Amino acid sequence: DTEVTQTPKHLVMGMTNKKSLKCEQHMGHRAMYWYKQKAKKPPELMFVYSYEKLSINESVPSRFSPECPNSSLLNLHLHALQPEDSALYLCASSLAKGTLLLYGYTFGSGTRLTVV
Amino acid sequence: DAKTTQPTSMDCAEGRAANLPCNHSTISGNEYVYWYRQIHSQGPQYIIHGLKNNETNEMASLIITEDRKSSTLILPHATLRDTAVYYCIVRAQGGSEKLVFGKGMKLTVNP
Repeated sequence: DTEVTQTPKHLVMGMTNKKSLKCEQHMGHRAMYWYKQKAKKPPELMFVYSYEKLSINESVPSRFSPECPNSSLLNLHLHALQPEDSALYLCASSLAKGTLLLYGYTFGSGTRLTVV
Repeated sequence: DAKTTQPTSMDCAEGRAANLPCNHSTISGNEYVYWYRQIHSQGPQYIIHGLKNNETNEMASLIITEDRKSSTLILPHATLRDTAVYYCIVRAQGGSEKLVFGKGMKLTVNP
């Protein structure tokens, strides 16, 4: 299995809703990432997990809450989002620290989120 | 990490070689050059990376100049499916875990 699977592919949520994005990989990668991508812009890093521990938070608002329950799963919990949070949310994984540079990241196809 | 400069866009005829340039004049000796691409509405896809030697894989070739200040990604026989935004990224060995994307370059392959 050489894929990163993200669900759902599309999500529409109201500003008072709570929802979660899910990311799964079975490549044995121990680093996982969340990126946010607005239309016609490059992906922007949000969070990095290394060995199931949060290692980087790029000053992301607390309405985004990441969780890594095990080495194969990464969640992004969403609460009280704003319309400007509408974007493509991408998950990626890679071999863990120390070997990251020798191997490329594998990205999922993303979740298209619309906040109404 | 060193910054990269790419043209905003480029066109290529189907079946021809596409040569995608990237300048990274401030690259350090331990920094690798990575190429990714993103086809519309999909996640980025790793293409190739290199340090100083030229590299080739089933997708592309990477030519890095001797002074390492620039590189060229070569798609030997471009197809319509190669139409995408291509990102040239430089990352330091032993640096942070971040993979930071610049603006990239839109390659359009025309029939």
